[in-house]
Amino acid sequence: GEDVEQSLFLSVREGDSSVINCTYTDSSSTYLYWYKQEPGAGLQLLTYIFSNMDMKQDQRLTVLLNKKDKHLSLRIADTQTGDSAIYFCAESDNAGNMLTFGGGTRLMVKP
Amino acid sequence: DARVTQTPRHKVTEMGQEVTMRCQPILGHNTVFWYRQTMMQGLELLAYFRNRAPLDDSGMPKDRFSAEMPDATLATLKIQPSEPRDSAVYFCASGFGTGGEQYFGPGTRLTVT
Repeated sequence: GEDVEQSLFLSVREGDSSVINCTYTDSSSTYLYWYKQEPGAGLQLLTYIFSNMDMKQDQRLTVLLNKKDKHLSLRIADTQTGDSAIYFCAESDNAGNMLTFGGGTRLMVKP
Repeated sequence: DARVTQTPRHKVTEMGQEVTMRCQPILGHNTVFWYRQTMMQGLELLAYFRNRAPLDDSGMPKDRFSAEMPDATLATLKIQPSEPRDSAVYFCASGFGTGGEQYFGPGTRLTVT
C-alpha cells in the first residue's frame, strides 16, 4: 500500500537553509506535494512537482525529486522565523483523486 | 479572497451526543474532502466527494459517522453517537478536478468527554 515517511523534527537557525526530506512508495504517483501547517490552522499548499521533473524552484523553495529512490525534498533558503510550522509531503494516487500524507516534519527556526 | 469555511471552530460535547460539523467549499470547486487529524494517527482521509457524489468513504467508521453534501455549497460530517476517541481536529478541504491541489478550512476541534 501507499506509505509516505518523514522525519519528525528539524531545527535550524534563522538565515540558514532548511532541508526537509520525504520518502514515498507509490511509483505511479503523478504529482508530489508539499503542504505547510501553522499552529491552529489548516494545511496550506506550498508547491508541487510533476513526477517527470527532478527539480522545481519557486522563490525560496526548491523541490528535488529522485524517482529512482522515491525521495522528495523541500529546501527553504534563508529560513525565517515565520517558516516555523509543520511541513507535510503528500503523493497523489495514480488517478489523481486522493492524497496520502506523511506524518509531517516540525520545523523550528531559532533566531 | 476565497476560503473554505468550517463551523463550529470548537465543539465540546459529552459521549453519546450527536455532533454535526459543516463546511462551505470554495465556490466553483467540485471536490470536497474530510480529514481527521490527531497526534497519534496524523492526518487521515475520512471521505471525499466529487460533484456532490461520495467517491470514497472507506476511512470512515460506518457505524457512527456519516458524510453528505446536501448541495454544492454545503458539506456535513455527522457523528452519532460520539465517543471520546473521536476527539480530534476535523478538516474539510476543497479542490477542482483531480485532488492534489486542496484548499483546507481552519478545522473543527472536537472534544468528546
